[in-house]
Amino acid sequence: DIQMTQSPSSLSASVGDRVTITCRASQGIRNDLGWFQQKPGKAPKRLIYAASSLQSGVPSRFSGSGSGTEFTLTISSLQPEDFATYYCLQHNSYPRTFGQGTKVEIK
Amino acid sequence: EVQLVESGGGLVKPGGSLRLSCAASGFTFRDAWMTWVRQAPGKGLEWVGRIKSKTDGGTTDYAALVKGRFTISRDDSQSTLYLQMNSLQTEDTAVYYCTTDLGGTWGQGILVTVSS
Repeated sequence: DIQMTQSPSSLSASVGDRVTITCRASQGIRNDLGWFQQKPGKAPKRLIYAASSLQSGVPSRFSGSGSGTEFTLTISSLQPEDFATYYCLQHNSYPRTFGQGTKVEIK
Repeated sequence: EVQLVESGGGLVKPGGSLRLSCAASGFTFRDAWMTWVRQAPGKGLEWVGRIKSKTDGGTTDYAALVKGRFTISRDDSQSTLYLQMNSLQTEDTAVYYCTTDLGGTWGQGILVTVSS
């Protein structure tokens, strides 16, 4: 199985900060990766697909990069509505696997 | 509007069975690969399994923890996805989500509680 190691597990940041979250795959997954945002009590929402493509309707302050084994989600200027938990998901092989999640909290 | 609505959750005793349904609308369900994902209370997301479209063979893949106990199926005439869960264990307690493959669309989730 491919392991997805996500870091950090949590972070505290202020509105306007630039935030970076990383996922590392235990083996190469090309660009078969998505990023998701989940708010408490709600279903996850996809932000990024194919590692770097922005989902329709998602603000442009979100961006994804990477290929192979290392991937990054960046929020260029954190907004109040961005405080949530973020997950990566690899869909290169089965079983598909999520990262452990990164909780973004208000500093 | 693309929509997925889960139903069928609830409280079940260890060793029991439950079938979840996911009603799809707003897209061509028969062409879609569909997935189940779960989330135990206070925990992260866990991929459960996937079913391909019948055009692509209709085959299934499962996570190791549920293989042999859970079965995913689909009724394209009703645009409905199913998750049959047998031999349920307390560790299966979670909110279960149906999603289009790769997670583009999610249902609201349904709670399954396994407890005596």
